[in-house]
Amino acid sequence: ETGVTQSPTHLIKTRGQQVTLRCSSQSGHNTVSWYQQALGQGPQFIFQYYREEENGRGNFPPRFSGLQFPNYSSELNVNALELDDSALYLCASSLGGSTGELFFGEGSRLTVL
Amino acid sequence: EDQVTQSPEALRLQEGESSSLNCSYTVSGLRGLFWYRQDPGKGPEFLFTLYSAGEEKEKERLKATLTKKESFLHITAPKPEDSATYLCAVQHGGATNKLIFGTGTLLAVQP
Repeated sequence: ETGVTQSPTHLIKTRGQQVTLRCSSQSGHNTVSWYQQALGQGPQFIFQYYREEENGRGNFPPRFSGLQFPNYSSELNVNALELDDSALYLCASSLGGSTGELFFGEGSRLTVL
Repeated sequence: EDQVTQSPEALRLQEGESSSLNCSYTVSGLRGLFWYRQDPGKGPEFLFTLYSAGEEKEKERLKATLTKKESFLHITAPKPEDSATYLCAVQHGGATNKLIFGTGTLLAVQP
């Protein structure tokens, strides 16, 4: 059974640039959620995709957007990067769109200079 | 507003020294309370789900309990490999699996 994989693991961008992060969900899981974890903080919910549709969003601006593909993999896109976007971005997959038992990847560490 | 507060922020124990971590919460319509473990540089790993006051779950040296306002994670005779950040999260009623996380307790167990 393949777990949740994310890429890239680390990246550095400058203010104003755009970034795309990728996630492959665990085998058999049809739901993907994205979380942002700043240093020393708990993860914060960005949004969730269930069967290719966004069906829940946290308190993040529209420049955070996403996609889910037919194979349930997902992308997180962030436009017009700001310094405060520096964080660990976590992807989590689950079976079903309403369970809190999530399987997290190891994250993508984004640094914005 | 849904909120989760964890204490202490950090805890240092000697191997074998039992203790408890606290998670207090306010949420409109608790659907579930979750404990996760996070090792440095890794994503959180699911430990337990608790659904109603009075419920208890155990796994090896860990035991989670739930009341109407808080949850405790009891660690009995910890070992150095139990060192990690322990995160508490709540899920309220709704059609998503959105979790509200606390800031975690950083546990260090010294041999």
